Amino acid sequence: DIQMTQSPSSLSASVGDRVTITCRASQGFSDYLAWFQQKPGKVPKLLIYAASTLQSGVPSRFSGSGSGTDFTLTISSLQPEDVATYYCQKYYGAPWTFGQGTKVEIK
Amino acid sequence: EVQLVESGGGLVQPGGSLRLSCGASTFTFSTHAMSWVRQAPGKGLEWVSAISSSGGTFYADSVKGRFTISRDISKNTLYLQMNSLRVEDTAVYYCASRGDGKYYWGQGTLVTVSS
Repeated sequence: DIQMTQSPSSLSASVGDRVTITCRASQGFSDYLAWFQQKPGKVPKLLIYAASTLQSGVPSRFSGSGSGTDFTLTISSLQPEDVATYYCQKYYGAPWTFGQGTKVEIK
Repeated sequence: EVQLVESGGGLVQPGGSLRLSCGASTFTFSTHAMSWVRQAPGKGLEWVSAISSSGGTFYADSVKGRFTISRDISKNTLYLQMNSLRVEDTAVYYCASRGDGKYYWGQGTLVTVSS
């Protein structure tokens, strides 16, 4: 099975900072890679699918990139409402594995 | 806009059974791969099961032999039959759909396994 490893596991950044979260796969696969945002007590929200396609209604400060084994979620200018845990997931070829999550906090 | 709506969650005793449903609007199940994902309280997201557009089924080791995924294309509905439930199966269960270049998620249904 392909393993998905996110880094870092947590980060603290200032409002306005550029934030980057990485998701690395143990083997290469197609671009069926999604990013989710989950705020405490809330349903996970799909931000990006197909590695770089922004879900409708998601602010443009969020972007995704990558292919093969290395994928990145970038928040271009961190906002207070972005405090959450972020997960990557491959959604092709069972199992549809998740990364372990990255907790983002405001410094 | 596509909506996935889960139902069927609830409280069940250990060893019991429950069937979850996921209904969809605006797309045809036969062209989509569908999946169930769960999140236990305070834990991360865990993939549970998937069914391909051609009907092939796949399971996480933690549920293999106890859970069965199926679909009714005529009703555009996905199911998860959960038998021999354990306390550790307590979670919010989400359905997801991949197809037509898109990816969709539902809002979840809570399953609580407790005596």
